[in-house]
Amino acid sequence: AQRVTQPEKLLSVFKGAPVELKCNYSYSGSPELFWYVQYSRQRLQLLLRHISRESIKGFTADLNKGETSFHLKKPFAQEEDSAMYYCALSGHSGGSNYKLTFGKGTLLTVNP
Amino acid sequence: EAQVTQNPRYLITVTGKKLTVTCSQNMNHEYMSWYRQDPGLGLRQIYYSMNVEVTDKGDVPEGYKVSRKEKRNFPLILESPSPNQTSLYFCASSSVSGEGNIQYFGAGTRLSVL
Repeated sequence: AQRVTQPEKLLSVFKGAPVELKCNYSYSGSPELFWYVQYSRQRLQLLLRHISRESIKGFTADLNKGETSFHLKKPFAQEEDSAMYYCALSGHSGGSNYKLTFGKGTLLTVNP
Repeated sequence: EAQVTQNPRYLITVTGKKLTVTCSQNMNHEYMSWYRQDPGLGLRQIYYSMNVEVTDKGDVPEGYKVSRKEKRNFPLILESPSPNQTSLYFCASSSVSGEGNIQYFGAGTRLSVL
C-alpha cells in the first residue's frame, strides 16, 4: 500500500525565514512524488515534482530514497506563500498504481 | 484554455435526494478521478477512471457512483446523500502518457447535505 505522511498540520514562520515542509512516504516500487499547493479559495495546482528537479517560486524538493522523504524547502518565505501544501505520491504503471495518494496537508502561514 | 470544469460549485440538499455533480475536461485526458477534502483528513480518492467505460473504487467509494461514457465527462452520483457526505469535492484529470501523472483539478464543489 502507498502512504504519504505530513507530520505537521500547521506551520507558522516569519517573512524572510527559511521554511521546510516535511513529507515521508511508503511505497514498494519506484514512486513519483509531487507537491501540490492550494491557495485560499483556489483549486489545487501542481507546485513541483521530483522528476523535473526544478525550482518553482523559490521552492525545491529533493527525493531521498534512503529516508523515503520528499521535503519541500524555501530559503526565504514570503507572505504570498501562505497556503495549504499537499505532498502526493503516484506509481508509474496503470490501474491502481496510477492513483495519486495525498498526505493530509500542511497549512503554512507566513507572518509579516 | 485547458481546464477541468465542475458543476455546480455549491450545492445544498437534503438527505436522500439524488444528486449528480458533473465534471468535464477538455485536455483529452484518459485518467479522471474524484476526491473529497475534509478538514484534518486531506484529500481522499472516491473513484477513478483509466479510460472510457473503465472505472474503479478509490479509498472511500461507499455511497457514491460514477460513470465514464465519454472521455471528457466523469460525473459523480450520490444516489441517497447523507449528512456524512457533506464535504468539498474535487474532480481531477491527467494524461497516462508523456508528462507523467500530473493531475489538473477542478475548482471544487462544496456540498452540504442536511
